[in-house]
Amino acid sequence: LAKTTQPISMDSYEGQEVNITCSHNNIATNDYITWYQQFPSQGPRFIIQGYKTKVTNEVASLFIPADRKSSTLSLPRVSLSDTAVYYCLVAGSYIPTFGRGTSLIVHP
Amino acid sequence: GAVVSQHPSRVICKSGTSVKIECRSLDFQATTMFWYRQFPKQSLMLMATSNEGSKATYEQGVEKDKFLINHASLTLSTLTVTSAHPEDSSFYICSASLGALSRMNTEAFFGQGTRLTVV
Repeated sequence: LAKTTQPISMDSYEGQEVNITCSHNNIATNDYITWYQQFPSQGPRFIIQGYKTKVTNEVASLFIPADRKSSTLSLPRVSLSDTAVYYCLVAGSYIPTFGRGTSLIVHP
Repeated sequence: GAVVSQHPSRVICKSGTSVKIECRSLDFQATTMFWYRQFPKQSLMLMATSNEGSKATYEQGVEKDKFLINHASLTLSTLTVTSAHPEDSSFYICSASLGALSRMNTEAFFGQGTRLTVV
């Protein structure tokens, strides 16, 4: 499984756009990139998944450069309720294995 | 999206007793489910992969006799913590996948977790 590296923590303010980057230098050809959100004492929740270029859904965008060695989760106009831990997963066989994640704190 | 239900959400038990945690896929059949544990301010650690109709595959360092996993049907997997001790106190989370492991972009869905406290 490709190892992922994310910032341990980030701070932002309400209404701002937040970009969380994940490095996965040894990503394999058949690996997909998936991001999850976790609130305290809850299970992770799927946010978005992609393979290359850009993917957008109702809650986030995922940017993946051509070399796929990194990916950036973009959260538009964050609110206080977006305070959570965000995990980037890279897997082809899909046994979800979690790295340390990024703790995002959104301030008023 | 698909729903995975985990029960109970919280349990307190006495040291030496056993606790069973259930994980159900409510609107889909899951041939494979995963069990994790999570300590405070740490990431999820995969404990085992539960396969319907066969023995679970445990990660290195996880005692299979301590953490009994049964996946008797396509919608239910159970984790039993046997002879629980205070160090087993943790947050346990299950997940289930819609598709087979051979699918590269299979999305996994997670239960709400179970907070186990052993006193």
